Amino acid sequence: GQNIDQPTEMTATEGAIVQINCTYQTSGFNGLFWYQQHAGEAPTFLSYNVLDGLEEKGRFSSFLSRSKGYSYLLLKELQMKDSASYLCAVRGYGQNFVFGPGTRLSVLP
Amino acid sequence: DTAVSQTPKYLVTQMGNDKSIKCEQNLGHDTMYWYKQDSKKFLKIMFSYNNKELIINETVPNRFSPKSPDKAHLNLHINSLELGDSAVYFCASSHGKSDPSGTDTQYFGPGTRLTVL
Repeated sequence: GQNIDQPTEMTATEGAIVQINCTYQTSGFNGLFWYQQHAGEAPTFLSYNVLDGLEEKGRFSSFLSRSKGYSYLLLKELQMKDSASYLCAVRGYGQNFVFGPGTRLSVLP
Repeated sequence: DTAVSQTPKYLVTQMGNDKSIKCEQNLGHDTMYWYKQDSKKFLKIMFSYNNKELIINETVPNRFSPKSPDKAHLNLHINSLELGDSAVYFCASSHGKSDPSGTDTQYFGPGTRLTVL
């Protein structure tokens, strides 16, 4: 079966660091994606991991451990505009993508 | 120069009607997708086409029929609409297996909010 878990909601303060976790159990693995989705808008691509380790992209970093079926998205120097849902997605066999339920992040002043 | 576009943006209709949603991408991608995002914000893949050929067909009622006239277009036709079909439908596209970076990032359209009354 396919299962992806993320916390439903998180709250953090402007300027802080927040880590959003994602655990997955999928029938195949060809990469893990993180997407950002603001309310009423389309998801937009943030990061991609296919090998174990950390990928850094400015204020955003993503980590993957394939043996543990675990990833996290790290957001530094939080800004108000980072308030959004963050979706973890795994690409299985072929072009089959499975998305997690998303984590709604609220950034407070 | 919108990358992935969908029409209409909003669709309000009565139960039992038939409706279509259109999607076009100008990114030169080989693969296109349809997703459904329900009220709990769960994004679920419905269909995937690669170069006009169906490659993924998840457990979706056969009232939903995708059509790809060419690799830049993937339309979704829904027959006999039901209340439970109310959701936001997103179209997306990606390079597919031909992505030189290997990432195969998906680019999403703005979504179509379907409300069935």
